[in-house]
Amino acid sequence: NAGVTQTPKFRILKIGQSMTLQCTQDMNHNYMYWYRQDPGMGLKLIYYSVGAGITDKGEVPNGYNVSRSTTEDFPLRLELAAPSQTSVYFCATLPTGFYEQYFGPGTRLTVT
Amino acid sequence: KQEVTQIPAALSVPEGENLVLNCSFTDSAIYNLQWFRQDPGKGLTSLLLIQSSQREQTSGRLNASLDKSSGRSTLYIAASQPGDSATYLCAVRGTSYDKVIFGPGTSLSVIP
Repeated sequence: NAGVTQTPKFRILKIGQSMTLQCTQDMNHNYMYWYRQDPGMGLKLIYYSVGAGITDKGEVPNGYNVSRSTTEDFPLRLELAAPSQTSVYFCATLPTGFYEQYFGPGTRLTVT
Repeated sequence: KQEVTQIPAALSVPEGENLVLNCSFTDSAIYNLQWFRQDPGKGLTSLLLIQSSQREQTSGRLNASLDKSSGRSTLYIAASQPGDSATYLCAVRGTSYDKVIFGPGTSLSVIP
């Protein structure tokens, strides 16, 4: 049981490039989330999903897109990367019943 | 709008001391509150989850309390050890699956 896995661990992008951050879970949790964490700050919600085929915006969705075609996968797409998107990105899951939230190890992204 | 604060922002204590970390939130209509530990460059590890109907939870040397009416939670760490050095975040979940707000964290350093 791997839990929540994220790839890549690190990435450097040039301004204007695009990339997809991958998130996969094997716990069969319905709810999945993408957060970003800026230095010295708490986590801010980018997008979330309550099940396959259903996604919605969080607090800071601009510049990002998501899809959820399966229960297991919840990729985050960055289009036209900007320096303001330099951050650490965490994927998380939540089982039905709103108990503990489980986090992936994060992707550290630098946009220069 | 729910706001979560954590005091102090940073704390340095000698090994063996008992210590208290504070988390405050502005909207008492919460579903639960979760305390996390984050080591430098790592993801979040869940420590304790307190449901809104509970007053406290304990795990080993950790004890978390919740006072919904006053909008406060505390994390008590007994007999601190250098291995406890990390950032501690609290996260407040509202009454829907998207409403989770993180505090900025308290950076703890336990000096041998």
